[in-house]
Amino acid sequence: KAGVTQTPRYLIKTRGQQVTLSCSPISGHRSVSWYQQTPGQGLQFLFEYFSETQRNKGNFPGRFSGRQFSNSRSEMNVSTLELGDSALYLCASSVQGFGNEQFFGPGTRLTVL
Amino acid sequence: AQTVTQSQPEMSVQEAETVTLSCTYDTSESDYYLFWYKQPPSRQMILVIRQEAYKQQNATENRFSVNFQKAAKSFSLKISDSQLGDAAMYFCAYFSYNNNDMRFGAGTRLTVKP
Repeated sequence: KAGVTQTPRYLIKTRGQQVTLSCSPISGHRSVSWYQQTPGQGLQFLFEYFSETQRNKGNFPGRFSGRQFSNSRSEMNVSTLELGDSALYLCASSVQGFGNEQFFGPGTRLTVL
Repeated sequence: AQTVTQSQPEMSVQEAETVTLSCTYDTSESDYYLFWYKQPPSRQMILVIRQEAYKQQNATENRFSVNFQKAAKSFSLKISDSQLGDAAMYFCAYFSYNNNDMRFGAGTRLTVKP
């Protein structure tokens, strides 16, 4: 079974731009969650999608949004990028949610200049 | 708000020895999940072990076991017979469906000495 894939793996943007990251879950997994990892703030939960609906949400501003498609693939969008948005963005998939084992992707390294 | 604290930024263990990583958390919930995740250098994060709060029995996965003390809100990870491949960053995490939030500790970097 193919693992969780994230594209692109690396991205460089400038302040004020917007960015869209993609996550393809393991086949059969309906839950996709997103995380931001930075040296200063550590790992922080962004949101979780299940069956195309946002089910859980962390404490991030509205500039961070996401969606999930009928095939369970998920996208995360960040608008009006700030320098502080530079981070490793991880997604994870599971069969039904946090009660099941989550499988993480390799992450997308976003650099904002 | 729920917080997760890992008081040991770095730990070191000799190969084949046992090491315990500590984690404490703060919550007013009675039903929640606790996790230990491993993030090797430049590799993907993987789940090491999971504990459901309503289960009193401590979870075990091969060489990995936890000491879950619900009243003390403590969730430590014991790694027995440490191997070089255990070297990684270990994160303790908490999730409660009631609050729809997942929290991670700051992580403990484990070094395994040959």
